[in-house]
Amino acid sequence: DAGVIQSPRHEVTEMGQEVTLRCKPISGHNSLFWYRQTMMRGLELLIYFNNNVPIDDSGMPEDRFSAKMPNASFSTLKIQPSEPRDSAVYFCASSPRPGLVMNTEAFFGQGTRLTVV
Amino acid sequence: AQTVTQSQPEMSVQEAETVTLSCTYDTSESDYYLFWYKQPPSRQMILVIRQEAYKQQNATENRFSVNFQKAAKSFSLKISDSQLGDAAMYFCAYKYGGATNKLIFGTGTLLAVQP
Repeated sequence: DAGVIQSPRHEVTEMGQEVTLRCKPISGHNSLFWYRQTMMRGLELLIYFNNNVPIDDSGMPEDRFSAKMPNASFSTLKIQPSEPRDSAVYFCASSPRPGLVMNTEAFFGQGTRLTVV
Repeated sequence: AQTVTQSQPEMSVQEAETVTLSCTYDTSESDYYLFWYKQPPSRQMILVIRQEAYKQQNATENRFSVNFQKAAKSFSLKISDSQLGDAAMYFCAYKYGGATNKLIFGTGTLLAVQP
């Protein structure tokens, strides 16, 4: 398996523009997580899905952020409009359902470094 | 709400020496999982070690071991015979058990290894 795949690796955009980050989880994993990493706040959980259904989006900073998971193999995180304070590294991770396998850790993608100027 | 606390923002160790990174968590759950992840400058998140809460035995992976104190809600990571390649940010993580599957992280400890 190729692991969790995120695209793009780097994104530079102007303030006010729409940004879409993409994630392909590991096949067979039923949970998908979106995290944001900054120096000030560390790794924040933004939202996570179980079986393509959003379970907890309490970490989404505001209405400018939205996430979708239309099927088991794809998810997007969209920021519209983007602001300079959104600059961060965004990680996607997936994990199998506990009880089905022994190891339930999350596997991470390489992250997307977003810079909003 | 469940929280994970890493009280050491930075640590330093001499090559070949041993270092312990601290982590505490707060939960009312009885079924959960704990992890340590390593993030080198490449920013890739790498699993170092895992511990199931129902297991009393401390997990060990080569030079990495944990001291899991369930009653105290403590989960420290010990790195023995430290190597230059161990220099990285280390994150402690808590995962809910059952179907919830939520995974939250501490703020991280930056480990420097001195030659």
